[in-house]
Amino acid sequence: GAGVSQSPSNKVTEKGKDVELRCDPISGHTALYWYRQSLGQGLEFLIYFQGNSAPDKSGLPSDRFSAERTGGSVSTLTIQRTQQEDSAVYLCASSRQAGETQYFGPGTRLLVL
Amino acid sequence: RKEVEQDPGPFNVPEGATVAFNCTYSNSASQSFFWYRQDCRKEPKLLMSVYSSGNEDGRFTAQLNRASQYISLLIRDSKLSDSATYLCVVIKNKAAGNKLTFGGGTRVLVKP
Repeated sequence: GAGVSQSPSNKVTEKGKDVELRCDPISGHTALYWYRQSLGQGLEFLIYFQGNSAPDKSGLPSDRFSAERTGGSVSTLTIQRTQQEDSAVYLCASSRQAGETQYFGPGTRLLVL
Repeated sequence: RKEVEQDPGPFNVPEGATVAFNCTYSNSASQSFFWYRQDCRKEPKLLMSVYSSGNEDGRFTAQLNRASQYISLLIRDSKLSDSATYLCVVIKNKAAGNKLTFGGGTRVLVKP
């Protein structure tokens, strides 16, 4: 069956611009996670959704980062006023329920010039 | 100190040999442990969960030592296709949504 999909696969933007990253989880998966992977920091947790609510936003690095999930399905991660240090691979994962195996999407490679 | 620490490697392994490496975690209350595999420019994929009693999946054996707070992965009869980065992953608190905490990864290169 279809796995987690993310779009765009690559995004180049100028410092100061806003970007939106999209995640389509596996159908029926109620839990959705955003992580990012950068050279200096490795893979780090950003935010977790259970259904449409986000019980844990503790990993969002600043108030420039926000995320939402609608219809218990698609999620969008928005970065406002991008900075060069935002350059990373943003990975989305979903699981059928919180506590079950997380399946990762291919990621969005973000480059802020 | 990072919450999950790994030797970054690379471990250069002759094809057919055995390689083993560890990962240490700082939070003694951590609840679940995994090894993920990540190929270059690809997403992480679950390799295996790690149980207190130790577990094996084909050529891969994982062990958990709660007293010393480390987990290990052993790969027997290495194949060229085993070349990848192996990520040690910990769940600190299942009640908090099961967010994964990753180590920096150990790079393994299997050579003919």
